Parts: sequence; C-alpha cells; structure tokens
Amino acid sequence: SQTIHQWPATLVQPVGSPLSLECTVEGTSNPNLYWYRQAAGRGLQLLFYSVGIGQISSEVPQNLSASRPQDRQFILSSKKLLLSDSGFYLCAWSSSGGTDTQYFGPGTRLTVL
Amino acid sequence: AQSVTQLGSRVSVSEGALVLLRCNYSSSVPPYLFWYVQYPNQGLQLLLKYTSAATLVKGINGFEAEFKKSETSFHLTKPSAHMSDAAEYFCAVSGRGNQGAQKLVFGQGTRLTINP
Repeated sequence: SQTIHQWPATLVQPVGSPLSLECTVEGTSNPNLYWYRQAAGRGLQLLFYSVGIGQISSEVPQNLSASRPQDRQFILSSKKLLLSDSGFYLCAWSSSGGTDTQYFGPGTRLTVL
Repeated sequence: AQSVTQLGSRVSVSEGALVLLRCNYSSSVPPYLFWYVQYPNQGLQLLLKYTSAATLVKGINGFEAEFKKSETSFHLTKPSAHMSDAAEYFCAVSGRGNQGAQKLVFGQGTRLTINP
C-alpha cells in the first residue's frame, strides 16, 4: 500500500530564516506530487505541483520554491521566511495513470515569529 | 475553470440528527467531485468521490453524497451524527493542469460541530 510522509511535523522559525520541508511517498512510482498551504481558518491553497523529476509548476507567486530531486521526494523551500508564511503545509500525491484522487500527508505546522 | 462553493462555514447538529453539508460546483467539463474530512492538526482524508458512475456515492463512516447535474450540487449527508464526526469538511472539484496533472479546486470548508 502507498504511504506519504512529511517532516518535520511542527516547526517554529524566525522571520528571515530559511525553510526546507520534505515529503516522500512510498509504494508507488512516478506519482504526481502537490504542495498546499492552509492558513488559519482558511481553505487550501495549491502552491506547487509536479508530474516528474525536475518538473515543477507554480500556482502562486511568492517567496517559496519547490523541487523534486527524486521520483518520490518533494521539497518545499524558502530562502527567507515571512510572517505570512505561517500555516499548515500539506503534501499530496495522485497516480499519474489518469486517476484523479489526491492522498494527503499528515502535514507540517509552520509558525514564523 | 472550476470552482466550488460550500454553503455555511459552520454547521452544528445534535448527536443522532441528520448531517447535511452543502456543496455547489461550477465546471466547464464533466466534473469529478470529492469530499474530504480533516480532523484537527491532521491531513485530509478522502470520504468519497464521484467519477461519473452512480450519482449516489457512498463513502466511509456512513457518509454519502448525491451528484445532481441540474442543480450543480454535490451535498454530503449522514443520517445520524456521531460525536466523532466533528471535523472540517472540504468539497473539491477536479480540473486539469499542465502536463496532465489533475488539480483539485477546494471549497473553503465547513466546520461541523456535534452537540451532545
């Protein structure tokens, strides 16, 4: 069966510090991968998605970036965090074989102070 | 382009009462529709999905939803609420992104509270 991992689970960072969040998927090959952000009391905002290694599509211009160095690894980064980057970050995967259901990881709670 | 509207950001029902969470969608192509549930500080869990087969879809935990094309709706129901149903519920519609990746467009969510 497929599983999706995210780490860290929680993170408290000062403004201006760098960020690296990691997501890995097990039990499937060539998944589509997604990064979402969920701000407090708000819905989900799609940040990035990827259909393959090195292929990243950005949905919202911001100071975040994403990379996919391996087939089942998806990384969300920032060089300098802003207060507005605080939120709950969710990674998700879907099959590249045409099915559309997305399966979500447990999330990372990021607080920028 | 796709969009989703969830009517009611907060819904409160008594334990044992009917749960009805409303979702209306807009899509220029035949949609795939989803309901997800999110418990506090957790990821989203798929409840059920509609993919153009039966219009009445049964999901986990006793939930079901009916696709009504004429009303562009996909409301979520459960006959009898349990305390464990207290959570945030999200309706989503699928779109198509670059290079074939399916993108989901989510509603703003409905927080369901169950009163004892």
